Amino acid sequence: NAGVTQTPKFQVLKTGQSMTLQCAQDMNHEYMSWYRQDPGMGLRLIHYSVGAGITDQGEVPNGYNVSRSTTEDFPLRLLSAAPSQTSVYFCASSEELIWRGTGELFFGEGSRLTVL
Amino acid sequence: AQSVTQLDSHVSVSEGTPVLLRCNYSSSYSPSLFWYVQHPNKGLQLLLKYTSAATLVKGINGFEAEFKKSETSFHLTKPSAHMSDAAEYFCAVSENTGGFKTIFGAGTRLFVKA
Repeated sequence: NAGVTQTPKFQVLKTGQSMTLQCAQDMNHEYMSWYRQDPGMGLRLIHYSVGAGITDQGEVPNGYNVSRSTTEDFPLRLLSAAPSQTSVYFCASSEELIWRGTGELFFGEGSRLTVL
Repeated sequence: AQSVTQLDSHVSVSEGTPVLLRCNYSSSYSPSLFWYVQHPNKGLQLLLKYTSAATLVKGINGFEAEFKKSETSFHLTKPSAHMSDAAEYFCAVSENTGGFKTIFGAGTRLFVKA
């Protein structure tokens, strides 16, 4: 009964380093997305995917890359970390698509990233 | 494009008194609307959702929300607050057009006093 699993839960990087946040879901959901949460700004959509091989940009995509090679996995890559990317990152998935929009999102527990 | 405004960043109530968390939305198309709750150091959990059925929506833990199209509002209420309700609450909107973006408000932190 895992749901959405994110790793790592905590990470500290130096400016310019790269890393990948992992996200896996075991609910066979077609839709997956990444959000960042910053104080006073709620959750902002970074990238999303509506199925394997299909990704698109959200509200704040700059500095992040994604890929979707399988239904289960949706990693988020930071190619050259910056202090402005210090945040809590959430992965979410949903089974509802097309005319009903994204439907209910199921969230992981978050990954807290600090960039020095 | 859709957007969400949560009108209060913080709300403080006494235990046993009513809760009102306010949310206004903007959407070009028929929207789905959601309320999520986040407890400290946890992910978000769905409280309730509106998807063009009944305008009064009941959720978990005694919460409910009413969709008012004329006012573009989706306020969250609970008749009697409990200490365990203290958390951050997020209103969100998704457009029912095959759009795949759920957009969140900035959040309202609810404090419950004994």
